Amino acid sequence: NAGVTQTPKFQVLKTGQSMTLQCAQDMNHEYMSWYRQDPGMGLRLIHYSVGAGITDQGEVPNGYNVSRSTTEDFPLRLLSAAPSQTSVYFCASSYSPSNNEQFFGPGTRLTVL
Amino acid sequence: DQQVKQNSPSLSVQEGRISILNCDYTNSMFDYFLWYKKYPAEGPTFLISISSIKDKNEDGRFTVFLNKSAKHLSLHIVPSQPGDSAVYFCAASETNTGKLIFGQGTTLQVKP
Repeated sequence: NAGVTQTPKFQVLKTGQSMTLQCAQDMNHEYMSWYRQDPGMGLRLIHYSVGAGITDQGEVPNGYNVSRSTTEDFPLRLLSAAPSQTSVYFCASSYSPSNNEQFFGPGTRLTVL
Repeated sequence: DQQVKQNSPSLSVQEGRISILNCDYTNSMFDYFLWYKKYPAEGPTFLISISSIKDKNEDGRFTVFLNKSAKHLSLHIVPSQPGDSAVYFCAASETNTGKLIFGQGTTLQVKP
C-alpha cells in the first residue's frame, strides 16, 4: 500500500492564481481531512469528509473548497490564492470518524507571492 | 479560540531521563485524545491515544495520562532517547463529529 499520497510536494503561486492540491489513499478509508500547519499554530483543520459525497468545514475553511467524489480521492482547491495561504498542507485519512488514528501524507509546501 | 493548547513550545531533556509533555483542552465534549509525533519534512505519525473513560494508557516507553476534571493530559516518555527528538502534537476529538483538533505542538530535544 502507498498509504496517503499528496501532490505536488512544493508549489509557488502568485496572488490570485488557483490550484488544486491532490490527495489520494489506497486503504479504503472513509474519513479524510485536510490540515494546514503554520509556525506557532499547530495543525488546523480546513475541511473533512466522512465518506464519498459528504464534506464539512473545519476550523479554517475560508478560501478553500473540497469535494469527495470517490473514496480514494479528496482534492483541496484554492480558488484565488492569497499570501495568507502560504503554509504546509497535510492530508490525512482513517477507517472511520470514530477511529481517529489518522494516517498523514508527506505534505505540500505552498508559497503564495 | 484554541480548544487544545500546548503551552510549552519547547522542551529539552537529557538522554535517559523522563520527558513530560503537557496539553490542556477546553471542550468538555472531547472524548478521545491522541498524541502525534512529527519529524521535519514528514507528515505526523500516530503515537498513542486514550479514551475519556480511562485515565492512563501505556505503550512501551510512552504513557499518556488523562485528568478529565482538570481537562489536562500529559505524555510521559521514559527513558528518553535522542531519536525521540521531534515535534509532538496533542489532539482531541468528539466521536460523533469526527473532527480532530490539534494543539500548537511542543518541540522535544533529547540531548545525548
